[in-house]
Amino acid sequence: GAGVSQSPSNKVTEKGKDVELRCDPISGHTALYWYRQSLGQGLEFLIYFQGNSAPDKSGLPSDRFSAERTGGSVSTLTIQRTQQEDSAVYLCASSSRENTGELFFGEGSRLTVL
Amino acid sequence: RKEVEQDPGPFNVPEGATVAFNCTYSNSASQSFFWYRQDCRKEPKLLMSVYSSGNEDGRFTAQLNRASQYISLLIRDSKLSDSATYLCVVTVFDYKLSFGAGTTVTVRA
Repeated sequence: GAGVSQSPSNKVTEKGKDVELRCDPISGHTALYWYRQSLGQGLEFLIYFQGNSAPDKSGLPSDRFSAERTGGSVSTLTIQRTQQEDSAVYLCASSSRENTGELFFGEGSRLTVL
Repeated sequence: RKEVEQDPGPFNVPEGATVAFNCTYSNSASQSFFWYRQDCRKEPKLLMSVYSSGNEDGRFTAQLNRASQYISLLIRDSKLSDSATYLCVVTVFDYKLSFGAGTTVTVRA
């Protein structure tokens, strides 16, 4: 498709389980971001990938969170041993190198940890 | 202190009214500024960039005040379709966008 694609759109899991969230960015976009949005809150930066450069992981809230981007395209965000406070919408976005201010977001993955 | 702060609103205005709201940012080294729009349970989308001299895009006007570290958005002749949450976005490094929590605008018929 032409836009950023995320899956699953909804995920309900039990506390302590691991989850994987996937993002397929717009073709040709070199930058990929993960943000988290809790109810009524702003977007919280998690991680940034740009081409083959080392990712900026400064926003990951704990070592239970990790992300990778394979082949400069698809990215996976993994949350291990989920906690209730991890419940949020996880948004992936991509942008071109030429226009870093315009992020194109996917529809998000809504995670609920019971 | 949060990097970007916004009045959450809601701003409840009738159709045709003008509504304006601000956003303040804490880092004086901030370089680029944007307004994004987010509809209920949807993803954010870029509304407009904010330039130092101020800029318009149709009914929307954005202003930047570097001295006081705030940006503003004004919506003229409000439409029902303008009902959304408006996110203020600031960058310090060219890629690191910081989002405010948003200002909710509801336009009523």
